[in-house]
Amino acid sequence: EVQLVESGGGLVQPGGSLRLSCAASGFTFADYAMSWVRQTPGKGLEWVSGLSGSGDSTYYADSVKGRFTISRDNFKNTLYLQMNSLGAEDTARYYCVNSGPGYCTGGSCYRRFDYWGQGALVNVSS
Amino acid sequence: QSVLTQPPSASGTPGQRVTISCSGSSFNIGSNPVNWHQHRPGAAPKLLIYADNQRLSGVRDRFSGSRSGTSVSLAISGVQSEDEAVYYCAAWDDRLNAPVFGGGTKLTVL
Repeated sequence: EVQLVESGGGLVQPGGSLRLSCAASGFTFADYAMSWVRQTPGKGLEWVSGLSGSGDSTYYADSVKGRFTISRDNFKNTLYLQMNSLGAEDTARYYCVNSGPGYCTGGSCYRRFDYWGQGALVNVSS
Repeated sequence: QSVLTQPPSASGTPGQRVTISCSGSSFNIGSNPVNWHQHRPGAAPKLLIYADNQRLSGVRDRFSGSRSGTSVSLAISGVQSEDEAVYYCAAWDDRLNAPVFGGGTKLTVL
C-alpha cells in the first residue's frame, strides 16, 4: 500500500523558513516523479513544485520560484520542500504527491497525481 | 481564482445521477486531457479519472468522465452518501507550463 506521510509543518513568522518532509513507502520511490501541491482556503489546489525520479530535473510554480527548493533522498525514500521568505500567501496545507507511471494519449504523454498524503499545515503569521 | 472553472456546489438524493462540470481554455482543457480527484473530509485526495474518461483501477464504475470541446464533466450515477466530497478537475496548461486545478465542487448527498 502506498503511503505518503508529510511532516515539518507549523507556525512561522513572515520572512521565515520551514522545511517539509514526506516519507514514502509502498512503492519504488526512485522510479517516480514527485510533486508538492498546496491547498489554500481561498484559492483551492495549486501545484507548487515537482521533480523527476532521479532528482535531476526540478520544476516550480512562478509563485514560489526562487524561494522554494524541492529535493529528494532516494536512499531514505524521502521528499523535501525547503521554503524560504515565507509570506501570508504561503499559508496552506501542503500535500506530497506521487506522479505515478503517467500515461500516453493522442500522441503525447502526461503525468498525473496518483497518490496523495494527508498534508502538512503551514501557517505564516506574526 | 482557479484556472479551471467548476461550480462551487452540487447536490443529489441517493440513487440520483449527478454531473459536475469543468471548463477551461484552449491552453489547458482544449488541448490536454483532464483528470478528476475526489477529496473526502479528513482523507487524502484520491485520483478517480484520468485522460478524460479512464477510471483508475479500483474506482467504481458509477464514476465516469466525458468531454465536449473545452468542457469536461464528471458523472456519478446512483450517488451514495459515501460520495460526499469535494471533486477537483485538473489538466496541464500549455501557457503556464504547469498543471492547473479547478476550484473544486462540493457534492452534498441530501
